[in-house]
Amino acid sequence: GQSLEQPSEVTAVEGAIVQINCTYQTSGFYGLSWYQQHDGGAPTFLSYNALDGLEETGRFSSFLSRSDSYGYLLLQELQMKDSASYFCAVRDRGGGFKTIFGAGTRLFVKA
Amino acid sequence: DVKVTQSSRYLVKRTGEKVFLECVQDMDHENMFWYRQDPGLGLRLIYFSYDVKMKEKGDIPEGYSVSREKKERFSLILESASTNQTSMYLCASSPAGEGTEAFFGQGTRLTVV
Repeated sequence: GQSLEQPSEVTAVEGAIVQINCTYQTSGFYGLSWYQQHDGGAPTFLSYNALDGLEETGRFSSFLSRSDSYGYLLLQELQMKDSASYFCAVRDRGGGFKTIFGAGTRLFVKA
Repeated sequence: DVKVTQSSRYLVKRTGEKVFLECVQDMDHENMFWYRQDPGLGLRLIYFSYDVKMKEKGDIPEGYSVSREKKERFSLILESASTNQTSMYLCASSPAGEGTEAFFGQGTRLTVV
């Protein structure tokens, strides 16, 4: 089966850098995605890594190590509006390209 | 802009009722998904579909069925609603292929009483 592990909560201060880790187990791995969800809102796509290494998109970066089945989302120059839940997700080949999500990490940004 | 529309934002149904949750996307996406979201459990995949009339079970299909008669519409059916199906239901769609972004609807908060 598939499973993803990520911390349930992270707290950081405005302007700081925070890293949210994700480890995964899956039968047919294609790539790791990250989504952001504000309270009461729908999840929105942040990034996708298919190959090892770091992908940067503005203040957000995402990293993948396929050999370690591990990835992380790095948020820099934290802002209050970054307070949200962050989900890692894997695209799994086990029966179509289904997308499986982790339980989510709640990020609290303090002033 | 991609739009995924779920028919209801809030729904209250009685135990034993048959419940239909409808989802429509306007971007001609091949893949459509139904998830339920519960506190501390993240998004759990119920069913997904990669083409019209094609469906595959996700991780928690028990008590649910789906229908995809047209490419743009994916329906989730609770054959006989139970209180443990009280949850937030999220529909998503994505283009075919790897690494494609999934677009989510705003969710349906279903309460079964």
